[in-house]
Amino acid sequence: NAGVTQTPKFRILKIGQSMTLQCTQDMNHNYMYWYRQDPGMGLKLIYYSVGAGITDKGEVPNGYNVSRSTTEDFPLRLELAAPSQTSVYFCASASEGRQPQHFGDGTRLSIL
Amino acid sequence: KQEVTQIPAALSVPEGENLVLNCSFTDSAIYNLQWFRQDPGKGLTSLLLIQSSQREQTSGRLNASLDKSSGRSTLYIAASQPGDSATYLCAVAPGSARQLTFGSGTQLTVLP
Repeated sequence: NAGVTQTPKFRILKIGQSMTLQCTQDMNHNYMYWYRQDPGMGLKLIYYSVGAGITDKGEVPNGYNVSRSTTEDFPLRLELAAPSQTSVYFCASASEGRQPQHFGDGTRLSIL
Repeated sequence: KQEVTQIPAALSVPEGENLVLNCSFTDSAIYNLQWFRQDPGKGLTSLLLIQSSQREQTSGRLNASLDKSSGRSTLYIAASQPGDSATYLCAVAPGSARQLTFGSGTQLTVLP
């Protein structure tokens, strides 16, 4: 019953450091998404992918990069961490764009 | 640009009450609308998905309605329980259905 798995669960970074947030799903879903959620706010889409080798920008892509080399994995990379990227990051997947999305438990990221 | 609003931001009710959570959206050209539940420190769990051609969906004590013409959806929770305490978010999918737009959520507390 793994579903969508995100690692790490928590991370503290210094300004300017880089890191990769990992996301993997075992449901053979084509669609995968990265969101960020700031306190008291809804989720905002960073990037999404409709299949291996295909990615596209969401509402707030600046400062992030993604890749989708396999159906299962959709890592999110921060190249030069900035305090504005302190947030909770959620990965989600769906069988196709109009179906319910399944979410991971999130990665809580603080940049100091 | 689609905007989704949820009012109130927080709601506290005694156990056993029936309650209604509200969601409004600005662009009626949606494909579907989803209601999610988010527990503290966790990801989102999909509760109900209403297609644009539907008026309502039911699951157990939950009933969600959709009125596209007025840009409104409601989530009705019958006989509330302390275990229903969580944040409830609604999200709308546009015709292309590639990106969800989320509201900021209603934080529900059901008091024993």
